[in-house]
Amino acid sequence: AQTVTQSQPEMSVQEAETVTLSCTYDTSESDYYLFWYKQPPSRQMILVIRQEAYKQQNATENRFSVNFQKAAKSFSLKISDSQLGDAAMYFCAYRSPYSGGGADGLTFGKGTHLIIQP
Amino acid sequence: DAGVIQSPRHEVTEMGQEVTLRCKPISGHDYLFWYRQTMMRGLELLIYFNNNVPIDDSGMPEDRFSAKMPNASFSTLKIQPSEPRDSAVYFCASSQVWNTEAFFGQGTRLTVV
Repeated sequence: AQTVTQSQPEMSVQEAETVTLSCTYDTSESDYYLFWYKQPPSRQMILVIRQEAYKQQNATENRFSVNFQKAAKSFSLKISDSQLGDAAMYFCAYRSPYSGGGADGLTFGKGTHLIIQP
Repeated sequence: DAGVIQSPRHEVTEMGQEVTLRCKPISGHDYLFWYRQTMMRGLELLIYFNNNVPIDDSGMPEDRFSAKMPNASFSTLKIQPSEPRDSAVYFCASSQVWNTEAFFGQGTRLTVV
């Protein structure tokens, strides 16, 4: 079974600064999908960014980018020019490419609580 | 599309009562997932459906939990009888195919007293 580890329960950053959230995972599969989800106080789970393991290029969505290191099984999220609205819980998630046997669901890390200081 | 719609948003019930949570997935999505979120255990997959058929319910904690998907636009998660330890946020999510991201509803916060 795959596992996802987020080693930072909480991170704090000054507004307009850059912050990096860490995520590592364990899998024996060579192809898979990785995601970062944001959960603000409204508790809605919002997709931030996705990465396909077969793609070498790191995904980018505006101020959000990832550093995907497949050999190290690492998938960190960088938030540039942090804004107050970025304050939330951030979850790293893994999804197997294979259908069936429970593999279709997302496996989540425990989350990182991001605090933005004005 | 309005996204994944869950109801109710909040539910408070007494121990022993039956609770039914409802979900309407995004139209055209073939996969529907039920997750539970607690502080202690984080986000756990309870059960998922593919084309209305339950594929894996190994995450359902015990026989008190059951889920159905009578058609492509509706699913329910039922707890009978409910217990205080069932208190959590329950999310429904859907995805178009198996290799895409899942879209989540706003969740139902269940409190069993």
